[in-house]
Amino acid sequence: DGGITQSPKYLFRKEGQNVTLSCEQNLNHDAMYWYRQDPGQGLRLIYYSQIVNDFQKGDIAEGYSVSREKKESFPLTVTSAQKNPTAFYLCASSIGDASVYGYTFGSGTRLTVV
Amino acid sequence: AQKITQTQPGMFVQEKEAVTLDCTYDTSDQSYGLFWYKQPSSGEMIFLIYQGSYDEQNATEGRYSLNFQKARKSANLVISASQLGDSAMYFCAMRLFNAGNMLTFGGGTRLMVKP
Repeated sequence: DGGITQSPKYLFRKEGQNVTLSCEQNLNHDAMYWYRQDPGQGLRLIYYSQIVNDFQKGDIAEGYSVSREKKESFPLTVTSAQKNPTAFYLCASSIGDASVYGYTFGSGTRLTVV
Repeated sequence: AQKITQTQPGMFVQEKEAVTLDCTYDTSDQSYGLFWYKQPSSGEMIFLIYQGSYDEQNATEGRYSLNFQKARKSANLVISASQLGDSAMYFCAMRLFNAGNMLTFGGGTRLMVKP
């Protein structure tokens, strides 16, 4: 079945370390997105990519980096520059044009700084 | 920039009753889509219903309906015959068709269904 796979489900990071969150999709979607969700709050856009080898900053890109070398993959690196990385991270994808179904989401990665 | 507002942080509803979750939006664009997602405690986002700005009829999907009032810029979600499994966070989101595919989300409403 087609879908989006995020791994790991839970991730613990020591302060000062970089960590990479994986996001893979087999839906043949052109666009992919990373969102951050803090407890009891909505989703905020970190980065998005409309096409391979191209990506743009969202509203809260500072302290994060991404790459889009393959259509299927859009990994997110949380760098040591991100001062408050503890959050729930959701990856999503969509087809290139306006879709009535919006996004397909992964199941998320919960990152905790220890 | 577009903005989505959900003014109800939390709501209770009795099982089998209907409930309305509010959503207002702000945009000067004419072409846009409005979405509702459900997020259970497990964290995944489940698509519920969609309304296009040019759709003349309110969208319905099973027990979900969207009360779309374009002039008031509101897109409220109505859940009929609430079930215990409806307890979750609900997010309203908007996509501007002339500004890429990004969804902008509201802050969410936590719905709790009482037995």
